[in-house]
Amino acid sequence: DAKTTQPTSMDCAEGRAANLPCNHSTISGNEYVYWYRQIHSQGPQYIIHGLKNNETNEMASLIITEDRKSSTLILPHATLRDTAVYYCIVISGGSNYKLTFGKGTLLTVNP
Amino acid sequence: EAGVVQSPRYKIIEKKQPVAFWCNPISGHNTLYWYLQNLGQGPELLIRYENEEAVDDSQLPKDRFSAERLKGVDSTLKIQPAELGDSAVYLCASSLGLAVYNEQFFGPGTRLTVL
Repeated sequence: DAKTTQPTSMDCAEGRAANLPCNHSTISGNEYVYWYRQIHSQGPQYIIHGLKNNETNEMASLIITEDRKSSTLILPHATLRDTAVYYCIVISGGSNYKLTFGKGTLLTVNP
Repeated sequence: EAGVVQSPRYKIIEKKQPVAFWCNPISGHNTLYWYLQNLGQGPELLIRYENEEAVDDSQLPKDRFSAERLKGVDSTLKIQPAELGDSAVYLCASSLGLAVYNEQFFGPGTRLTVL
């Protein structure tokens, strides 16, 4: 599976958009980009995933560059409850995939 | 809908003692995972079950760790004997199946402290 690079930490003002970048320059054609987050003292929570196209759900938007070497998770209106560690994970399709978590990005939403 | 249930939430033991963690996955989820999370690190997969079969236990330290998923529902992870380095959070997750599009749902974890 392709390795990902994320900033260690980021800050965002409450109510503003949070844009979390992820670099996955060695991604291959059948690999998906997944985002999970982990709020303090809780287990990780699935946010969104994509292959080639941009994706949006009730939690966030995922923007994948045309060459698929990087992506950005967008939380459109960050709240204090969005303070968490955000993990960008690249995994192969199929039935034998593994979630390999790195250290992620600690997003702190400030009032 | 009830989420993944884990117990206990916290456990403090002395080294060389045995310890067990219990997980009840979301109803209908065939796939169950155990992860280990050290402080400041992301979770690491220990073992993965499809129903009652362990389909990937390559990362499980089998000299002291064991796991079982009898009847393909609840699962227990055991450490015997525990070492100081085993202090960590042990997370259980479940999903509908092994395919990549099946998101994993995580429990709150069991925080183990070995003294």
